[in-house]
Amino acid sequence: ILNVEQSPQSLHVQEGDSTNFTCSFPSSNFYALHWYRWETAKSPEALFVMTLNGDEKKKGRISATLNTKEGYSYLYIKGSQPEDSATYLCARASGTASKLTFGTGTRLQVTL
Amino acid sequence: NAGVMQNPRHLVRRRGQEARLRCSPMKGHSHVYWYRQLPEEGLKFMVYLQKENIIDESGMPKERFSAEFPKEGPSILRIQQVVRGDSAAYFCASSPAGPGYTFGSGTRLTVV
Repeated sequence: ILNVEQSPQSLHVQEGDSTNFTCSFPSSNFYALHWYRWETAKSPEALFVMTLNGDEKKKGRISATLNTKEGYSYLYIKGSQPEDSATYLCARASGTASKLTFGTGTRLQVTL
Repeated sequence: NAGVMQNPRHLVRRRGQEARLRCSPMKGHSHVYWYRQLPEEGLKFMVYLQKENIIDESGMPKERFSAEFPKEGPSILRIQQVVRGDSAAYFCASSPAGPGYTFGSGTRLTVV
């Protein structure tokens, strides 16, 4: 893996479904992995920052895991709601905390 | 706390004009980052600044683009002699230090 890659590119689920997305990243020189939620016409909103291998973070119905050795992170949404519809971005910081390399995001649409 | 403020939200410039994008970081944040989102692409790092210093400008185009973060006042991203390819959304983020950015809502530049 040379870049930060996210899959799937887009996802369409029904209200109440649980879903998950993947972020893959280069494992060398790893510093931190960020997840953001980005609604159209708004600013990206920070969800999680994870630094340690095996980290798990949770915020309400959303949780994330991190595997720095193999270079991937999963974001889970339990019981999706229409207000979860957004683009979910992951970004990797390497070396120092300063510069983030973003994936192109997973666009989630939750319908009734 | 008003968050990261960017202005203007939308900016239209004719080819050859100058574009000035402003970013006021969150109160207490001394680190500012600029990112650019080209159409159909993800967020790309441009430059990282602290007060009166450019720390990392590895993502800045070599010509026409400059950034500053003076001791007083907002950070400015300046694009001279704009071309159509500069049309993009430009996002600013700030942090106190280390991981955990707060993003602004962006400036959408259209070059006509």
